[in-house]
Amino acid sequence: GAGVSQSPRYKVAKRGQDVALRCDPISGHVSLFWYQQALGQGPEFLTYFQNEAQLDKSGLPSDRFFAERPEGSVSTLKIQRTQQEDSAVYLCASSPRLAGGRGQETQYFGPGTRLLVL
Amino acid sequence: GESVGLHLPTLSVQEGDNSIINCAYSNSASDYFIWYKQESGKGPQFIIDIRSNMDKRQGQRVTVLLNKTVKHLSLQIAATQPGDSAVYFCAERRVHKLSFGAGTTVTVRA
Repeated sequence: GAGVSQSPRYKVAKRGQDVALRCDPISGHVSLFWYQQALGQGPEFLTYFQNEAQLDKSGLPSDRFFAERPEGSVSTLKIQRTQQEDSAVYLCASSPRLAGGRGQETQYFGPGTRLLVL
Repeated sequence: GESVGLHLPTLSVQEGDNSIINCAYSNSASDYFIWYKQESGKGPQFIIDIRSNMDKRQGQRVTVLLNKTVKHLSLQIAATQPGDSAVYFCAERRVHKLSFGAGTTVTVRA
């Protein structure tokens, strides 16, 4: 079946512009995650949704970052007034299980959106 | 602080040889670990996972070993192929979020 998809794959923004990044999780997946990956580093957690509820946004770097998943499927990560330090790859992942349980919980990642802020 | 990290940033291996990638973690409360492979321009791809109540788990050409005593995780790849060239990350689950190390870049020599 189809995996996690993200769009756009590449985005160039001028400093100060707002951007919106889209994630289409695997159909039926309950949990959705956003991660930020700087060049040469591992992904860093940003936020977590269980269906439409945003249960953890502790990783969002500032109040310029906002994420939503209004109908419990597609999610959008919005960055307002972009800064050069926002340049990174933004990864979305989904999981069929409720996160945080004791069972195995594989997160399936999309290809990411590479954001470059000039 | 608590972190998940890999011992070596790069690993060069001859095609056909076995590869071993190591990872140390510091959170003894972590109950679930995953190895991911990431190729250039792509998202992390699941390889294999292991729960903390296990010591070893095998997949197709891959084996993950978990030593809770020394908080060490390793990924063994048998008969390494050119397609195995990538960055490998170990990740530990902390409640609902995954915490990743910096990764090991594996290069397969023909």
